[in-house]
Formats: sequence, structure tokens, C-alpha cells
Amino acid sequence: ETGVTQSPTHLIKTRGQQVTLRCSSQSGHNTVSWYQQALGQGPQFIFQYYREEENGRGNFPPRFSGLQFPNYSSELNVNALELDDSALYLCASSLVGGMNTEAFFGQGTRLTVV
Amino acid sequence: DAKTTQPTSMDCAEGRAANLPCNHSTISGNEYVYWYRQIHSQGPQYIIHGLKNNETNEMASLIITEDRKSSTLILPHATLRDTAVYYCIVRVSGTGGFKTIFGAGTRLFVKA
Repeated sequence: ETGVTQSPTHLIKTRGQQVTLRCSSQSGHNTVSWYQQALGQGPQFIFQYYREEENGRGNFPPRFSGLQFPNYSSELNVNALELDDSALYLCASSLVGGMNTEAFFGQGTRLTVV
Repeated sequence: DAKTTQPTSMDCAEGRAANLPCNHSTISGNEYVYWYRQIHSQGPQYIIHGLKNNETNEMASLIITEDRKSSTLILPHATLRDTAVYYCIVRVSGTGGFKTIFGAGTRLFVKA
């Protein structure tokens, strides 16, 4: 079991609403990445945060945004929810500055948009 | 796009070795090979990684070809609990974060 925790575990939202997902990184880690995983597919990289700034982004629209806090925890915000946003959202934490450091994933938040 | 290609699915008998191949012909000199697995609806779990030497840990062994264009993950004695999707990933170390491009992975079925 990793030290990465995500909340909530499940969430149901209506199309057009906004949602905030939360991630607490493993102790000693300073980078958080977020992924979207649709059913039957591999996780797709959304963005990552290091030192409270976004320093890498995948092919996701601006309505996907995030924050990283001084304690390295993070939020993923999605505005104007669409039905296709229904997915498992994963966060992963890692340590910058080390060589080939592995990332540890949380158990994910299952978002359903109706 | 993912820089790796893996078979869609594989079967393995319980107690036997499971050998999962991965092609990464465009791997760069500073990219490592990582393996993760994902059991149904859980977060991906780190298994092992390597640069060019073969690696072994308590979970698995990683064999990387000399030209580094392919690798094989070996689960020496597969159990039913090893049934999962296995992802092979290549990434650069020390890039200021962990940006990982996942492919579709290999769905391993371990059968009794």
C-alpha cells in the first residue's frame, strides 16, 4: 500500500457542474501528477505539479486545472463537466532530484457524470 | 503516444513463470524502462525498473536486451493474484517530475 491518498473514492456529478478531486502525496515526495483513465484504457497524463507550479501538461483542455499546496498535496479541478469526463482519476507522487525515482499511485477517484 | 508496444493479452498457468515482452525500439539513451501493473480498478503498482542491466527484486525480474530495444518482465512463479494489466513505460530520469505515457498494456490471465 502506498502513502498516496485520494478523496473522495467515488463521486457522481451532473453535466455542466464543477468538481474538485484531492490527493495527498507520499511523505518526502514533492511532485504530483494527475491521470485520467477511461474504462478499458491505460491512464492518460493530464498534468504534473512541482513546487506549486504546473510543469508539464498532456492533451487536456483548460477546463482541467490544478493546484499544488506547500505541503505538496494537490487538487484537480474540472469545470463544465461533460459525459466523457466519466473516468477513474489517478494521482501519483514522486521525488524530484533523485535519479530514476518511481512514482506511487493512489487508489483513484471514480467520477461519474450523468 | 506511448513509446512502447506490448501484446494485448497473455495467459499463464499458476506456478509457472510469466514472461511479458515489451518493445521500445525508439528508446533514448537516458530513458529507463519501468513496469507497473494495475489490478482491476485500483491504482497502478510499481514493479521494477532498469536502464540497461538486468534487474531483480522480490516481485519480478527485468531483462533488457543489449541494444535496449526490448525488454521482458518475468514473474517467476505466477499466482492467481498476479492477474492484472501490466504496463511497460519508458521515461527520462531527473526530468523534474514524473510524466508517464501509458500504452494499453498487457492483460495477464493466470489460470489455475
